[in-house]
Amino acid sequence: GQQLNQSPQSMFIQEGEDVSMNCTSSSIFNTWLWYKQDPGEGPVLLIALYKAGELTSNGRLTAQFGITRKDSFLNISASIPSDVGIYFCAGGVPNAGGTSYGKLTFGQGTILTVHP
Amino acid sequence: GAGVSQTPSNKVTEKGKYVELRCDPISGHTALYWYRQSLGQGPEFLIYFQGTGAADDSGLPNDRFFAVRPEGSVSTLKIQRTERGDSAVYLCASSPTLNNEQFFGPGTRLTVL
Repeated sequence: GQQLNQSPQSMFIQEGEDVSMNCTSSSIFNTWLWYKQDPGEGPVLLIALYKAGELTSNGRLTAQFGITRKDSFLNISASIPSDVGIYFCAGGVPNAGGTSYGKLTFGQGTILTVHP
Repeated sequence: GAGVSQTPSNKVTEKGKYVELRCDPISGHTALYWYRQSLGQGPEFLIYFQGTGAADDSGLPNDRFFAVRPEGSVSTLKIQRTERGDSAVYLCASSPTLNNEQFFGPGTRLTVL
C-alpha cells in the first residue's frame, strides 16, 4: 500500500531558528496536508496543498507540493516555544469516482522540541 | 463553532468485551472518517462515510470492527470481542464534501486489558 516517509523523526532546536521537514512517497498524491498534534489532542490542520508545485504560507509556516506529486516539505520560520509538538504530513487521493476525497495516508511524524 | 467531538475520551475494557465509540462531526460536514493511532505512529485510516453510506471501509482490520452512520451525522465505531492489540487512540474527522481538509476530534483512548 501507499507509504509516506517523513524526516527527520525528531528535531531539537533553539527558539528563533528555522525548521524544515519533508515527506516523500513512492506513490503520487493529489493533495498534501500538514497537521500538528499536541499530546492528548487530535491533529490540527496547518496547510493544505492541491496543485503540483504549489507553495502556500500560513503565518510563519510555508509548505510546498512537490512537482512530481510524490513529496512535500514544511518550513517553520523563527520558531517559538509553542511550536513544540508532532508534525504529520498526509497525502490524499480522490475516490474511485473522482467526485470526492477519501482517506488520508499519514507519515510517521516529526517530533519538534524548541528550547527557549 | 463546535468542532468534532468524541465520546468517551477514555475507555478501559477487558479482553473479549464489546465497545462502542461515538463521533459527532462538525455541523454540515457530509464526510466522516475514522482513523486509529498507535503510540509513536501517524493515524491509520479505518473507514470513511459520505452521508449515511460507507464509501470506503478498506482500512477496517477485520470483521470485529464495524461502523455506522444511520442519519448521516453522528457515527459509532463498534468493536466486538476486543483484543489487547486493539488498544490505541481512535480518531474521528469530518470534512465538507469534495475536499480533503479533514478536521479531527480529540480522539478516544481505548485500553484493552
